[in-house]
Amino acid sequence: GAGVSQSPRYKVAKRGQDVALRCDPISGHVSLFWYQQALGQGPEFLTYFQNEAQLDKSGLPSDRFFAERPEGSVSTLKIQRTQQEDSAVYLCATDRGGGTDTQYFGPGTRLTVL
Amino acid sequence: QKEVEQNSGPLSVPEGAIASLNCTYSDRGSQSFFWYRQYSGKSPELIMSIYSNGDKEDGRFTAQLNKASQYVSLLIRDSQPSDSATYLCAVRGSGTYKYIFGTGTRLKVLA
Repeated sequence: GAGVSQSPRYKVAKRGQDVALRCDPISGHVSLFWYQQALGQGPEFLTYFQNEAQLDKSGLPSDRFFAERPEGSVSTLKIQRTQQEDSAVYLCATDRGGGTDTQYFGPGTRLTVL
Repeated sequence: QKEVEQNSGPLSVPEGAIASLNCTYSDRGSQSFFWYRQYSGKSPELIMSIYSNGDKEDGRFTAQLNKASQYVSLLIRDSQPSDSATYLCAVRGSGTYKYIFGTGTRLKVLA
């Protein structure tokens, strides 16, 4: 596709359920970032992949959050035992890597935990 | 102190005026600075990046960086109603992949 895609676009989960959010990057993009954006706030860094290697996961808020990118393309952010405070928009962004700084954001997944 | 600070606004300017958006950051080692625009309900899109002290112009947009004062600004000339959005400042430190975003400034351009 032409841009970064994310699915699902909207997800409603009951507290305690596990969820999986998917990001399909632009073809050939080496770098992949996950962000969490709460209402009225800026995106908050969660984790970064360079190809399949997770080089920085310092922003993951707890061990309930896990991200993977096993083949260096599609990435999945998994949240176990969801809590109400996990409600936010989860954004994926990718760039070509190699020092380029132009991140392209996907449309986001809006997660609501009831 | 937040790592990247912006006035949340809203900043209201009349159509055709210059809008001035400001951002301060706390990490003196920061090397890369970015302005993103985010329309309501949409994802951020990059407007400009700046790496050196001084001004960088791109069309109606000018980014200004002052590393000594740890200050980045964005000027939008001839503001249009379509410029109404939230403008996010982002900073990346030296030797890190992590982008730190401010909370954004909401700009309203009044027709």
